[in-house]
Amino acid sequence: AQKVTQAQTEISVVEKEDVTLDCVYETRDTTYYLFWYKQPPSGELVFLIRRNSFDEQNEISGRYSWNFQKSTSSFNFTITASQVVDSAVYFCALSEPGAQKLVFGQGTRLTINP
Amino acid sequence: DAGVIQSPRHEVTEMGQEVTLRCKPISGHDYLFWYRQTMMRGLELLIYFNNNVPIDDSGMPEDRFSAKMPNASFSTLKIQPSEPRDSAVYFCASSGQGALTYEQYFGPGTRLTVT
Repeated sequence: AQKVTQAQTEISVVEKEDVTLDCVYETRDTTYYLFWYKQPPSGELVFLIRRNSFDEQNEISGRYSWNFQKSTSSFNFTITASQVVDSAVYFCALSEPGAQKLVFGQGTRLTINP
Repeated sequence: DAGVIQSPRHEVTEMGQEVTLRCKPISGHDYLFWYRQTMMRGLELLIYFNNNVPIDDSGMPEDRFSAKMPNASFSTLKIQPSEPRDSAVYFCASSGQGALTYEQYFGPGTRLTVT
């Protein structure tokens, strides 16, 4: 069965610090997709990134970067030079092709203090 | 382009009443999903549709819950009768087109409170 574990329930850092959110997943499939979503205090879920299991290249988008390592079944998310606006709950999710279902982790609540 | 639209944004009702939540997916998307978010259980998939046909409803908690998608631009999630434990935020999401696109785009959610 598929499972996503976000072991960090809450993280609190001071603005401008770098912070990494961990995500570990379990699946028996060789083909799968991984996602990160952001849920700011306003409540909506915002799509951040999708990565397929055949692409282990790290991705960078501005201050955000993602590190995908199949050997450790991890898909970690790093925010560089964090800002107060980054405060949100971040969810990691997993899906299998054809199934279209997203299995979400429990989320990590990130608080950036000024 | 408009995103996923949900209504109402907030709903307060009394136990035993019927509740209907509504969703308009992104135009052209052919998958529609209903999720429920609670503190205890996190984000749970309730049901999803492909081309208006229900594909997997294994997450629907019980017979009090039903969902329909009469056309490509509208879906409803109905709870009858509602109970206090149904209090949650209900999200609708859509994705498409075809099997190559998997990111789901979420609506703003409906916060349901059953007293």
